[in-house]
Amino acid sequence: VIWMTQSPSLLSASTGDRVTISCRMSQGISSYLAWYQQKPGKAPELLIYAASTLQSGVPSRFSGSGSGTDFTLTISCLQSEDFATYYCQQYYSFPLITFGGGTKVEIK
Amino acid sequence: EVQLVESGGGLVQPGGSLRLSCAASGFTFSSYWMSWVRQAPGKGLEWVANIKQDGSEKYYVDSVKGRFTISRDNAKNSLYLQMNSLRAEDTAVYYCARPNRGEEEGTFDYWGQGTLVTVSS
Repeated sequence: VIWMTQSPSLLSASTGDRVTISCRMSQGISSYLAWYQQKPGKAPELLIYAASTLQSGVPSRFSGSGSGTDFTLTISCLQSEDFATYYCQQYYSFPLITFGGGTKVEIK
Repeated sequence: EVQLVESGGGLVQPGGSLRLSCAASGFTFSSYWMSWVRQAPGKGLEWVANIKQDGSEKYYVDSVKGRFTISRDNAKNSLYLQMNSLRAEDTAVYYCARPNRGEEEGTFDYWGQGTLVTVSS
């Protein structure tokens, strides 16, 4: 089983801020990492796959980086619609899959 | 347009059973792995089970092994999750999700709206 540690679990920020969320793996997963955004009462939406590739339609203020065991999601200029919960997910061991614990980005 | 519509959720007593269904449309269902992902109230996402295109391979998270069974009917474009010996900790919204194909196989590009399962006496 690949364990994932996502931090912080809660992030307070203001519109316009640059925010970063970290995801650390218990073992190397190359670049088999995805990021999702979830808003209350809605299903998650895929933002980034292969650690740094933006899903079609995702704004360029979102970016991902990292490989191996350490990954980062960055939102360069936080917009009001970005207040949500973000999850990392590894698919290196597909069809076994693991999600990180989530990071809630709230208004400061 | 890809659509995944879950049904079958509800209130069930501990030790009881429930069968979830997911009706798929807008894509060639038989060409994709399919998955169930759940989310307990106020908690994070947890992958539950995956099934291969022809149903020949099935994988489960440890906490549901021996109690849950994933299956599919490609003729009906439908995915199922049979849940037996349900526990309070199985209470969650259950999502049907479609993993991507190709290099990004394992990422989920389409999700259903979810169906709530509540295990309580």
